[in-house]
Amino acid sequence: EVQLVESGGGLVQPGRSLRLSCAASGFTFDDYAMHWVRQAPGKGLEWVSGISWNSGSIGYADSVKGRFTISRDNAKNSLYLQMNSLRAEDTALYYCAKVIGGLLGAFDYWGQGTLVTVSS
Amino acid sequence: EIVLTQSPGTLSLSPGERATLSCRASQSVSSSYLAWYQQKPGQAPRLLIYGASSRATGIPDRFSGSGSGTDFTLTISRLEPEDFAVYYCQQYGSSLFTFGGGTKVEIK
Repeated sequence: EVQLVESGGGLVQPGRSLRLSCAASGFTFDDYAMHWVRQAPGKGLEWVSGISWNSGSIGYADSVKGRFTISRDNAKNSLYLQMNSLRAEDTALYYCAKVIGGLLGAFDYWGQGTLVTVSS
Repeated sequence: EIVLTQSPGTLSLSPGERATLSCRASQSVSSSYLAWYQQKPGQAPRLLIYGASSRATGIPDRFSGSGSGTDFTLTISRLEPEDFAVYYCQQYGSSLFTFGGGTKVEIK
């Protein structure tokens, strides 16, 4: 059974940093691209960042480019999101998601999310 | 960046009725790399359709997707009580993945 479990969220002050993790199981992690998607309270889905199976291809939404860094450790079956210079508008539930296949693919499995609240 | 516009914002229908949801892209979506997701309150999104028209594993055949280029449609042939939710389209044909703003299907 595919499982994605996010962790690392919490309350953080504006300008500070936070690192999210996503532990994957139930599939061959290093065969698949992975992504982060966020959802602000009461709002829609926003794609944040994605990374190919071998970290050779990485992309970011304009809203987080230069502040967030995605990475993965295939030996640990884990995906990460380093978030720096956090802003109030980064407050959201952050999901990690697995791609169905290929570099460009829909997201067939999602975690339950970890909540990040940026506030003083 | 490809902008996806979903309409209507809210669809009020009764169980058994047909639902037709629209997703329009600001530019052509490469290779019909368009997906539809369903999200219920307090839950993560669930993949329904990928490649514009392929149903994901375990998705009932009352859900169907169609379209190409810039105009895409999700159709639910006969609404079941569990289908009342928010639906999002997503394009994944460019390096910047984007989602539409969502359509809420509510009980009339």
